[in-house]
Amino acid sequence: DQQVKQNSPSLSVQEGRISILNCDYTNSMFDYFLWYKKYPAEGPTFLISISSIKDKNEDGRFTVFLNKSAKHLSLHIVPSQPGDSAVYFCAASADNRKLIWGLGTSLAVNP
Amino acid sequence: ETGVTQTPRHLVMGMTNKKSLKCEQHLGHNAMYWYKQSAKKPLELMFVYNFKEQTENNSVPSRFSPECPNSSHLFLHLHTLQPEDSALYLCASRQDRQNTGELFFGEGSRLTVL
Repeated sequence: DQQVKQNSPSLSVQEGRISILNCDYTNSMFDYFLWYKKYPAEGPTFLISISSIKDKNEDGRFTVFLNKSAKHLSLHIVPSQPGDSAVYFCAASADNRKLIWGLGTSLAVNP
Repeated sequence: ETGVTQTPRHLVMGMTNKKSLKCEQHLGHNAMYWYKQSAKKPLELMFVYNFKEQTENNSVPSRFSPECPNSSHLFLHLHTLQPEDSALYLCASRQDRQNTGELFFGEGSRLTVL
């Protein structure tokens, strides 16, 4: 049973618009959440993280929102750029234990 | 240039072969990881080494044998694998095994078992 779910396998947006990638989790003990980005033929690279004591973390065009009551987090990319086209993975951990990963969402940003 | 390099990038092997995957990190990190990424499955943690000591083995079959001779190098020795072991094997490193630190991944070794 997947503890971290990314229910949308793919997402397509226009350049300049907002991309919203969603992630749901089932384990209420998760206290740290991360987003990684992966280009083809490359390993995942860290994008942004959020601790459960916060509900928002922002880094440039990327913002992660955490809704603990709904066990939901989302990654917003504004404005989206063609270079953002990649697979985005959500991951979570509880009490510094191992990361549990989602299946990923493939984002395509169209010029 | 990635701080974590993996070789080979692609490997095809028969079920009776013995081969090894190699990972090297140039980041001065103390923790190294092997992950497996299979089609339609989440990334699965296989092994964790911290200061050259194995700290985690997630019920990985013995046909996978890790080796960490020093903090910069990590190997995954493969022996009598099965076709279902075909996957992308990713190496990663972190400053230490504290899970709030960023994981740095290599580009992966794509393994095909015939």
